[in-house]
Amino acid sequence: QLQLQESGPGLVKSSETLSLTCTVSGGSISSNDFYWGWIRQPPGKGLEWIGTIYYSGTTYYNPSLKSRVTISVDTSKNQFSLKLSSVTAADTAAYHCARQRIIPGTTTNWFDPWGQGTLVTVSS
Amino acid sequence: DIQMTQSPFSLSASVGDRVTITCRASQSISRYLNWYQQKPGKAPKLLIYAASSLQSGVPSRFSGSGSGTDFTLTISSLQPEDFATYYCQHTYNIPLTFGGGTKVEIK
Repeated sequence: QLQLQESGPGLVKSSETLSLTCTVSGGSISSNDFYWGWIRQPPGKGLEWIGTIYYSGTTYYNPSLKSRVTISVDTSKNQFSLKLSSVTAADTAAYHCARQRIIPGTTTNWFDPWGQGTLVTVSS
Repeated sequence: DIQMTQSPFSLSASVGDRVTITCRASQSISRYLNWYQQKPGKAPKLLIYAASSLQSGVPSRFSGSGSGTDFTLTISSLQPEDFATYYCQHTYNIPLTFGGGTKVEIK
């Protein structure tokens, strides 16, 4: 059974860079059939897609965050990572990683399963 | 960006009730629409993809319908474990966006 686990600091200072890692277990991150995504959720609020990566390194980012986001993959460790620079209080959120299935030739895709999420608080 | 608007914001229902949640897209998204369930402190769980395809392992009391701009998630007979928040999400283009959520509470 595939599992994803986020890890990283729970507290980041304003203007610094948030760094998180997602470790995939029970399956290979190098699978041809899947992409890997980051989604965040501010406390008590809804979900926001941050970006997606394929094991080859191809990335797709939310334009609203693109200037500050870098997603990378380390296939040797079965991990992918998120870096978000110049953080502010608005970046305080639970950050989830998830496997993304994309159907070739369509834009049909979905996130399943998700990691539990890790709360990152930006302090001033 | 495509805006996803869910209604109602919240609802109260009893076990055994039929519940319908609506999701409206700001432009046509064909059938590129997913539904997720989230319980407090837990990760979202995929229920429905491509508007009406039931994810493996999800009870058949959940169903999805719609195309274009209007979609619905129906729970045919609400069970105690179904009290949660439900989100729709489009996958028509980038950025992928989610609805604001519908909280289903116990009456």
